[in-house]
Amino acid sequence: QLVLTQSPSASASLGASVKLTCTLSSGHSSYAIAWHQQQPEKGPRYLMKLNSDGSHSKGDGIPDRFSGSSSGAERYLTISSLQSEDEADYYCQTWGTGPWVFGGGTKLTVL
Amino acid sequence: EVQLVESGGGLIQPGGSLRLSCAASGFTVSSNYMSWVRQAPGKGLEWVSVIYSGGSTYYADSVKGRFTISRDNSKNTLYLQMNSLRAEDTAVYYCARDTYYYDSSGYYHYPSVWGQGTLVTVSS
Repeated sequence: QLVLTQSPSASASLGASVKLTCTLSSGHSSYAIAWHQQQPEKGPRYLMKLNSDGSHSKGDGIPDRFSGSSSGAERYLTISSLQSEDEADYYCQTWGTGPWVFGGGTKLTVL
Repeated sequence: EVQLVESGGGLIQPGGSLRLSCAASGFTVSSNYMSWVRQAPGKGLEWVSVIYSGGSTYYADSVKGRFTISRDNSKNTLYLQMNSLRAEDTAVYYCARDTYYYDSSGYYHYPSVWGQGTLVTVSS
């Protein structure tokens, strides 16, 4: 079964960097994913598509501070030079032959 | 500018019906895959339904037989007709324009433009 696992929470200081992780279930380590950001009381926003080889393509207007990387079944979202507006929920999402699958989301707190 | 604006949410009694609308601008709904995704209060995102550019439709098992996705090309608008509503359908409903393509690495299908959402509350 295709499942995405995310840590429920993460925190980092203003101006620092943070790396969020999304883990694909066994047997699905070659899958690409997409990262989405949801700021408080707003709709989600597409950040980037991330391949298993770490190559990624970002959505329009997404700052260079956001980057993606991969290792095995892990997909990462790195945010550098953290700003207050980066405090949000971050969801990974993937697709197969069935419905879209979303991770449970990581709530990022900027200290 | 590409934009999606949902409407039609509200408070509805269990067993009732509601139709959500998603007005698109900056692109043509009928030329794209379009999806509905919902988010229950305090919970994560859950895919609900998709309509392909060719007209094929698919649903999550939780809504199959009760919800219908459709579009009006003349109004460039996506709809979600929701019947036999249950308390567990309470959520913010988002429409999305999908990105889908094939390349040498495989097939890609993900939401790349999201609306702001409309709240549906099912309660007596």
